[in-house]
Amino acid sequence: DIQMTQSPSSLSASVGDRVIITCRASQTITNCLNWYQQRPGKAPRLLIYTTSTLQDGVPSRFSGSGSGTDFTLTISSLQPEDFATYYCQQGCSVPRTFGQGTKVDI
Amino acid sequence: QVQLLQSGAEVKKPGASVKISCTASGYTFSNFAIHWVRQAPGQRLEWMGWINAGTGSTRYSQNFQGRVTIVRDTSANTAYIELSGLTSEDTAVYFCARDCTGDKCRSHYDYWGQGTLITVSS
Repeated sequence: DIQMTQSPSSLSASVGDRVIITCRASQTITNCLNWYQQRPGKAPRLLIYTTSTLQDGVPSRFSGSGSGTDFTLTISSLQPEDFATYYCQQGCSVPRTFGQGTKVDI
Repeated sequence: QVQLLQSGAEVKKPGASVKISCTASGYTFSNFAIHWVRQAPGQRLEWMGWINAGTGSTRYSQNFQGRVTIVRDTSANTAYIELSGLTSEDTAVYFCARDCTGDKCRSHYDYWGQGTLITVSS
């Protein structure tokens, strides 16, 4: 199985901050990397797929980059509604696997 | 608009089975896949398996050692997951999610169900 490791596991930030979350795969996954946002008690929401493609309706302050085994999610200017947990996921192979999550709070 | 509507919360005894439904609307059901993902309290998302809603082909996570079965009813635009041999470790919220299919598909879950809480307790 491909292991996905995110860092940090949690971070504290303020509105307007630039936030960077990293995700590392245990083996190369080319660009098969997706990012999801999950608010408490809600289903995950797709933010970015295939490393850098912004899902329809997602604000442009979210961006993704990387290749191979190392990937990043950047929030350029944190907004109040962005306080949530973020997960990376590899979509290259079965079983699909997720990172442990990064909780972004105030 | 695309929607995935899941069945309601359930409480089960250890050793029992549970079957959860996921009813799709707003798109052509057979043109996509449905994946199932669960989340135990305070834990990361865990992939369980998927079904190609058009062909009916399935793949499962070996982590469930044959306890999971996914089927679909195209006449009802509904996918189901059944998990048997429940233990307290199966207490979780279970989600269905839509994925693309085909050679050009780069897997990603663009729509999710609202989640179904399954509690396993004696």
